[in-house]
Amino acid sequence: AQKVTQAQTEISVVEKEDVTLDCVYETRDTTYYLFWYKQPPSGELVFLIRRNSFDEQNEISGRYSWNFQKSTSSFNFTITASQVVDSAVYFCALSEAQYSGGGADGLTFGKGTHLIIQP
Amino acid sequence: EAGVAQSPRYKIIEKRQSVAFWCNPISGHATLYWYQQILGQGPKLLIQFQNNGVVDDSQLPKDRFSAERLKGVDSTLKIQPAKLEDSAVYLCASSSNRLAGGETQYFGPGTRLLVL
Repeated sequence: AQKVTQAQTEISVVEKEDVTLDCVYETRDTTYYLFWYKQPPSGELVFLIRRNSFDEQNEISGRYSWNFQKSTSSFNFTITASQVVDSAVYFCALSEAQYSGGGADGLTFGKGTHLIIQP
Repeated sequence: EAGVAQSPRYKIIEKRQSVAFWCNPISGHATLYWYQQILGQGPKLLIQFQNNGVVDDSQLPKDRFSAERLKGVDSTLKIQPAKLEDSAVYLCASSSNRLAGGETQYFGPGTRLLVL
């Protein structure tokens, strides 16, 4: 069975600090996808990144960066120079995709990390 | 491009009543998902549709929950009768053609249900 663990329930930092959100996953499949979503106070889940299990390259998008390490089953998310607008709950999620077509690929989410950026 | 639409946004009912939620996915998206998010937790998949067929409903409490996507476009999720523990946000998501697998899911704004 697949599982996603986000051990940090809440993180509070001062604006402009760097912050890393941890994500550890469990799966028996060799083909899978990892995602990060942001959930601001409004409640809507906003897609941030998708990574497949065959691509371990780290990715940077503006102030956001992601570190995928299969050896430790981790997919961590770093925000550089945090801003108040980054305050939200962040979810890591896993999908065990089926290439046979028509298979189930619903997301398994972690419990989320509540990030508070103080001005 | 319009996003995933859901209605109503909020609903308050008493236990044992019935309630229905509606979702219209992003145009052209073949796959539709319903998730339940209880306060303080991550979303949990309830059911997945591919066009108008059910792909996965293993976590749907079938004694009280039902869902349909008759024409392969919009979908309805129903709870009958509701229990106090059904209080949650119900999220609908959609993704495009699944030939590649693990497609990105785009979420709607959700329906907040409070059962009294």
